[in-house]
Amino acid sequence: GQQLNQSPQSMFIQEGEDVSMNCTSSSIFNTWLWYKQDPGEGPVLLIALYKAGELTSNGRLTAQFGITRKDSFLNISASIPSDVGIYFCAGPGTTSGTYKYIFGTGTRLKVLA
Amino acid sequence: NAGVTQTPKFRVLKTGQSMTLLCAQDMNHEYMYWYRQDPGMGLRLIHYSVGEGTTAKGEVPDGYNVSRLKKQNFLLGLESAAPSQTSVYFCASSYRNGPLHFGNGTRLTVT
Repeated sequence: GQQLNQSPQSMFIQEGEDVSMNCTSSSIFNTWLWYKQDPGEGPVLLIALYKAGELTSNGRLTAQFGITRKDSFLNISASIPSDVGIYFCAGPGTTSGTYKYIFGTGTRLKVLA
Repeated sequence: NAGVTQTPKFRVLKTGQSMTLLCAQDMNHEYMYWYRQDPGMGLRLIHYSVGEGTTAKGEVPDGYNVSRLKKQNFLLGLESAAPSQTSVYFCASSYRNGPLHFGNGTRLTVT
């Protein structure tokens, strides 16, 4: 089935560093979603993107909808220990009809104090 | 406002047993989904529903059945549990084609 390629798979960074991760698709999307999952909990929506080229921020997080509509990027500035978790991208898998969101395999972030 | 609530939180089954997972949402969302999460594989869609009384298959539907008798509830059934169904199951809901809102999951082990 259709898949989203998310990279990197994992990251170890020092507190205060900036983080970048990305997600690519083989097909065009008209929506990109970014989620964070803490241990033992469900994914929580961070940012939703609806337009190619869109740049949206949520606090220290900034996400961009790629111009090609086949990729998206998430940046975290000045990381802190509570940023630890798994970050997932998601896209609707189609540009029409019912959206059946598909998810990347996640980027596992660990922050070293 | 509880959002999406899943019960139970944990369950252990023996091979061949059956069970039903319950999902309830209080956001008046039209769409509801069941995903499973396995290590290294992200979330995979099992079944989904676009409204009361309607259901459809997702990416990995085999071995599962669902029902949506009320708008706020979406049930996931395992007819005859197998070890391959050991996983974490997440329910989600959304407005039509909107972002998904997830519950906190049901951790199922099949021995």
